[in-house]
Amino acid sequence: EPEVTQTPSHQVTQMGQEVILRCVPISNHLYFYWYRQILGQKVEFLVSFYNNEISEKSEIFDDQFSVERPDGSNFTLKIRSTKLEDSAMYFCASRGFWYEAFFGQGTRLTVV
Amino acid sequence: GENVEQHPSTLSVQEGDSAVIKCTYSDSASNYFPWYKQELGKGPQLIIDIRSNVGEKKDQRIAVTLNKTAKHFSLHITETQPEDSAVYFCIMTSYDKVIFGPGTSLSVIP
Repeated sequence: EPEVTQTPSHQVTQMGQEVILRCVPISNHLYFYWYRQILGQKVEFLVSFYNNEISEKSEIFDDQFSVERPDGSNFTLKIRSTKLEDSAMYFCASRGFWYEAFFGQGTRLTVV
Repeated sequence: GENVEQHPSTLSVQEGDSAVIKCTYSDSASNYFPWYKQELGKGPQLIIDIRSNVGEKKDQRIAVTLNKTAKHFSLHITETQPEDSAVYFCIMTSYDKVIFGPGTSLSVIP
């Protein structure tokens, strides 16, 4: 069964450092998403990506965040200067023509 | 703006009993209604979905019912088992949006 894979599973970083979270969506999918989930809280939408550009982003997705699909397979989320409050689980998802979204297992980001 | 609500936020049931979680959405253009299950430390996984041309869908112990006029759909789990304990999310999906409900934490007590 096809799956979305995310690496690393856990990342610890110092406050102020840049981090890149990586995702390999399901091949031939068209829409790509990043979400975050602070421990014990709801899953929050960050950004959607379609046709090699951002189609929508939330107010959480400020100038510190960026996304790329550098090689047609990976889909990355970069946080330029991490803050303590960026500590969360980050989920990547992809979707094809139909509406079912497939989610990765997540990257746990801990900012210290 | 778009909004998705779920009730209840937490639910405890005895093993073998049924559990029902209701989701209310705002976007009348939505035509796909999935439920996802998230176990501790894992990403959300699709457990059942329904499209707007169907009122009910069942898969073994799990069923989803849709009332598009009232803009709500519900997850029904019968004969609950301890492994059903998890957080359940409904999602509102349209064109390029995938918006999570706030989640319902289900505990099945053995």
